Amino acid sequence: QAGLTQPPSVSKGLRQTATLTCTGDINNVGNQGASWLQQHQGHPPKLLSYRNNIRPSGISERFSASRSGNTASLTITGLQPEDEADYYCSAWDSSLSVWLFGGGTKLTVL
Amino acid sequence: QVQLVESGGGVVQPGRSLRLSCAASGFTFSTYAMNWVRQAPGKGLEWVTVISNDGSNKYYAESVKGRFTISRDDSENTVHLQMNSLRAEDTAVYYCARESNSLEYWGQGTLVTVSS
Repeated sequence: QAGLTQPPSVSKGLRQTATLTCTGDINNVGNQGASWLQQHQGHPPKLLSYRNNIRPSGISERFSASRSGNTASLTITGLQPEDEADYYCSAWDSSLSVWLFGGGTKLTVL
Repeated sequence: QVQLVESGGGVVQPGRSLRLSCAASGFTFSTYAMNWVRQAPGKGLEWVTVISNDGSNKYYAESVKGRFTISRDDSENTVHLQMNSLRAEDTAVYYCARESNSLEYWGQGTLVTVSS
């Protein structure tokens, strides 16, 4: 099963802005929308946003998501040391009836 | 608050079976679809399977189809993953996750190691 495509790594400076991308197709990201998860080493994933741009309660406004066509994006503003983590996108594929994940992007805050 | 607690992991030989459980609390279990997602050491997330809220629909990743079976017991607020014919590549932390528009709540995971 094909997955979603994410860049393996992104590096940005403290207090800068990072934009992570996730590319799928019309059957998943382009139709169902994407959600974003943050995972720190040794911990389970944590939901940051879903349906492209809805943040669960308690998630900082520094995290915002969007979608254009078959590509979803997660923008993190005012980068902090604690933002250094792996970020995964996911989407339901209505053609395959499976949840797809991207390979994950390792965000480094310099 | 929502809690998901996985159990049943351990070391198992190739070809053998293992049954994982995920105990849920803090929400009305019977109204949510439940998923299993795994993560091999040092690797990314891989979705494994989902069961609908009423248990009538189940979907599986190709990598586990025919070997793994998901089930739920709403009287015990528990979802199970029966894993048969285990392979070395099934070695991973297995997470259960509640689904509502997304995989929104995750347990801490249970480690399964398939090794002789």
